[in-house]
Amino acid sequence: EVQVLESGGGLVQPGGSLRLSCAASEFSVGSYAMFWVRQTPGKGLEWVSALRHSTDPHYADSVKGRFTISRDTSRNMIYLQMNSLRAEDTAVYYCAKDLVSGDGLWLPGSWGQGTLVIVSS
Amino acid sequence: EFVLTQSPGTLSLSPGDRATLSCRASQSVGSNYLAWYQQKPGQAPRLLIYGASSRATGIPDRFSGSGSGADFTLTISRLETEDFAVYYCQQYGRSPALTFGGGTKVEIK
Repeated sequence: EVQVLESGGGLVQPGGSLRLSCAASEFSVGSYAMFWVRQTPGKGLEWVSALRHSTDPHYADSVKGRFTISRDTSRNMIYLQMNSLRAEDTAVYYCAKDLVSGDGLWLPGSWGQGTLVIVSS
Repeated sequence: EFVLTQSPGTLSLSPGDRATLSCRASQSVGSNYLAWYQQKPGQAPRLLIYGASSRATGIPDRFSGSGSGADFTLTISRLETEDFAVYYCQQYGRSPALTFGGGTKVEIK
């Protein structure tokens, strides 16, 4: 069964850093566009970052310059390095894979269960 | 700025009722790249519909999507107890950015 599993969330002080990991099963992260989407407690969904299988990464304006998405195909992992964290970055962070491989649809089709990031002093 | 507005915010219905959820875009959605997700408490979103009307794998046929341009609808023909959840629409393929609507909660009346 295709799965993604996030880890790395936790409590961090404002201005701090955290790296989220996304482990993929039964598919290759090198063959799909991969996404990070976050959800603030009790609120809606916000796209954070994405990485096509063959092009540059993309970021929401709210995280540009602070977050970095990367891929390790040898470990079949996706990462989100988060620096200069702010209180408003507090959220559940979901990793998701495109519904279709290759150039894909740019559509998150399968999602992990998420990892909670809390930015607070 | 591209915005998706979902209505109503909350829909109070009984099992067996028909649910009609609306998603309106601030601009036309190219190629009908509009998706619907279901989210239950403590769970990740689950893809229901993409391309405005195509059901994702394993989604029951009581879920249907329709619409084009800037107006889209998710219909649940007969609500089952497991269908009470929050539903989000999402535009994709327009640019690198993905946009989500604010959600409609379908609750038991």
